[in-house]
Amino acid sequence: DTGVSQDPRHKITKRGQNVTFRCDPISEHNRLYWYRQTLGQGPEFLTYFQNEAQLEKSRLLSDRFSAERPKGSFSTLEIQRTEQGDSAMYLCASSSGAGGWTDTQYFGPGTRLTVL
Amino acid sequence: KQEVTQIPAALSVPEGENLVLNCSFTDSAIYNLQWFRQDPGKGLTSLLLIQSSQREQTSGRLNASLDKSSGRSTLYIAASQPGDSATYLCAVTFSGYALNFGKGTSLLVTP
Repeated sequence: DTGVSQDPRHKITKRGQNVTFRCDPISEHNRLYWYRQTLGQGPEFLTYFQNEAQLEKSRLLSDRFSAERPKGSFSTLEIQRTEQGDSAMYLCASSSGAGGWTDTQYFGPGTRLTVL
Repeated sequence: KQEVTQIPAALSVPEGENLVLNCSFTDSAIYNLQWFRQDPGKGLTSLLLIQSSQREQTSGRLNASLDKSSGRSTLYIAASQPGDSATYLCAVTFSGYALNFGKGTSLLVTP
């Protein structure tokens, strides 16, 4: 069990460019979550997958954001036409699904995005 | 609006002291509450999860309590050490699967 991994760890991009982040959950975890954290704030929920199905999306997830989880394994989060306000730490978490509503979510190290 | 608040925002204590971090939430109908630790620039490490039917959970020097009726949780850290220095985040599941986080308490334990 190697934990949740995220790639890249850091991304610097220019305003208007598209970026894509990858998350690999803990093996056999069927639930995957994306959060965004800005400086001095707690993480904010973006979206949730049960296997390959995207079941919950926050209003924070504007139409410039899209997330996928093909085959229910790794997930990608894409941001199109980045804006300076998108600068944040993007965190991925996974859980086993065995606990129902009481699952423990395990977080990855995050991808820090800086939009210039 | 369902909100999670953590007090204090920052705390500095000398090594060896026992300390309490506070978390309050606006809706008593919660599924669970989880405490996390976050080191600077890093991801989150889960410390304790309390289900809605439980009153407390313990792990080593950590003890977390939950009082749903008053909308409060506390994280008690016994015999603090410099290695405990980090930001501690409280997160509540109100509905669905999303964790709702407070802004955290930044803890500094001085030698």
